[in-house]
Amino acid sequence: KAGVTQTPRYLIKTRGQQVTLSCSPISGHRSVSWYQQTPGQGLQFLFEYFSETQRNKGNFPGRFSGRQFSNSRSEMNVSTLELGDSALYLCASSPEAVPHQYFGPGTRLLVL
Amino acid sequence: QKEVEQDPGPLSVPEGAIVSLNCTYSNSAFQYFMWYRQYSRKGPELLMYTYSSGNKEDGRFTAQVDKSSKYISLFIRDSQPSDSATYLCAPRDGGFKTIFGAGTRLFVKA
Repeated sequence: KAGVTQTPRYLIKTRGQQVTLSCSPISGHRSVSWYQQTPGQGLQFLFEYFSETQRNKGNFPGRFSGRQFSNSRSEMNVSTLELGDSALYLCASSPEAVPHQYFGPGTRLLVL
Repeated sequence: QKEVEQDPGPLSVPEGAIVSLNCTYSNSAFQYFMWYRQYSRKGPELLMYTYSSGNKEDGRFTAQVDKSSKYISLFIRDSQPSDSATYLCAPRDGGFKTIFGAGTRLFVKA
């Protein structure tokens, strides 16, 4: 089975712009989670989608949003980018009834 | 206080050493305890997980959970240079909440 894929892998944006990141989960996985990873804060949970519904949400401002499509693919959007949004954004998928997740390689976002 | 505390290191050991990586947590609702390994410029990958208290062994790796003291450990025997990575503990409650530790950077010198 193919692993979790994320596109693009690298992105450079300027403050005030918006960005959309894409994630394709492992085939058959209906749960998709997004995380932000920075050296200072570590891995922080953004949100989780299951069957097109947001099931869980972390403590991030409303500028961070996401959605999931009927084929389980997911996108996250960050509007009005700030310098502090520079991070590695990781997507993870999981099958039902297991506690762990399978991570993609991440999208590295740099905000200038 | 963070829900999960993990010393970020770095931890440097010679090849063949026994490595001990540890986390403490505060939320007694955590039931599953995962360890992930993350190589540079890659996403985390699951090493192993345990349910509730006890030990679990997988090859050179042993995970240990003591719920009474809220202490999680990962032991690596006969460490190899290929074990050089960041190790993240990640406890999870019975629902959907997983909290990741800060990660410990491990360097194994040949």
